[in-house]
Amino acid sequence: GNSVTQMEGPVTLSEEAFLTINCTYTATGYPSLFWYVQYPGEGLQLLLKATKADDKGSNKGFEATYRKETTSFHLEKGSVQVSDSAVYFCALIVQGAQKLVFGQGTRLTINP
Amino acid sequence: DAGITQSPRHKVTETGTPVTLRCHQTENHRYMYWYRQDPGHGLRLIHYSYGVKDTDKGEVSDGYSVSRSKTEDFLLTLESATSSQTSVYFCAISAGDSYNSPLHFGNGTRLTVT
Repeated sequence: GNSVTQMEGPVTLSEEAFLTINCTYTATGYPSLFWYVQYPGEGLQLLLKATKADDKGSNKGFEATYRKETTSFHLEKGSVQVSDSAVYFCALIVQGAQKLVFGQGTRLTINP
Repeated sequence: DAGITQSPRHKVTETGTPVTLRCHQTENHRYMYWYRQDPGHGLRLIHYSYGVKDTDKGEVSDGYSVSRSKTEDFLLTLESATSSQTSVYFCAISAGDSYNSPLHFGNGTRLTVT
C-alpha cells in the first residue's frame, strides 16, 4: 500500500538553527509528494510539492528534494524563525488513487 | 483563501446522538474531502466526493455518511456518535481536477462526544 513515515516529534530548535524533518514513503505507483504546514487553530496549508524524481520544491525558505532512490522527501530550512513554529505533514498521492495519504505530522517549536 | 467554511467550529454532543457537520465552498470545485485529525495518526480520509451525488469511502468511513446535493456543500453525518469519534474534522477541496492538485483545507470542526 501507500504510506508516509515522518520523524518523531516534537522538535525544538533555537532561532536561526538549521532544520531537517525526515520523510520517507512507500508507494505502489509513481507518487507526487507534498509538505503541508498547520499553524495553531488553522487547517493545513500547502508548503511545497514535487511531482517527479529529482524535483526540488521550495517556498518561504523551505526546500525538499524528491529522491526516488531513497524514497525520501526531507524538509529543510537553513535558518528557522519563531514564526515557523507549527506542525508539518508530509504527504503523497498516486495517480488513480485520488486519495492524499499523510504522515503523522511533526510538531516544530522555535525558541527565540 | 480558497473560500471554505466549516460549521460549526466547535460541538459537544452526547453518545448516541446524530451530528451533522457542514462544509461550504464558494469556488465550484469538483472534489471535496472529509478528514479527521487525531494525535499520532496525522489526517485520515473519511469520505470524498467527485461531484454532486458522487461519493466514495475513505480509510475510516465506518460510522460516517456523507451527502452532496449541491456542488458547494458537502455534509458529514455521524448517525450515532461514539466517544471514538471525538476528533478534529477537516474539510478540503482540490484546487484542480488533476489527481495531484493541492488540497485547500477549512479551519476544522472540533467535535467532542461525551
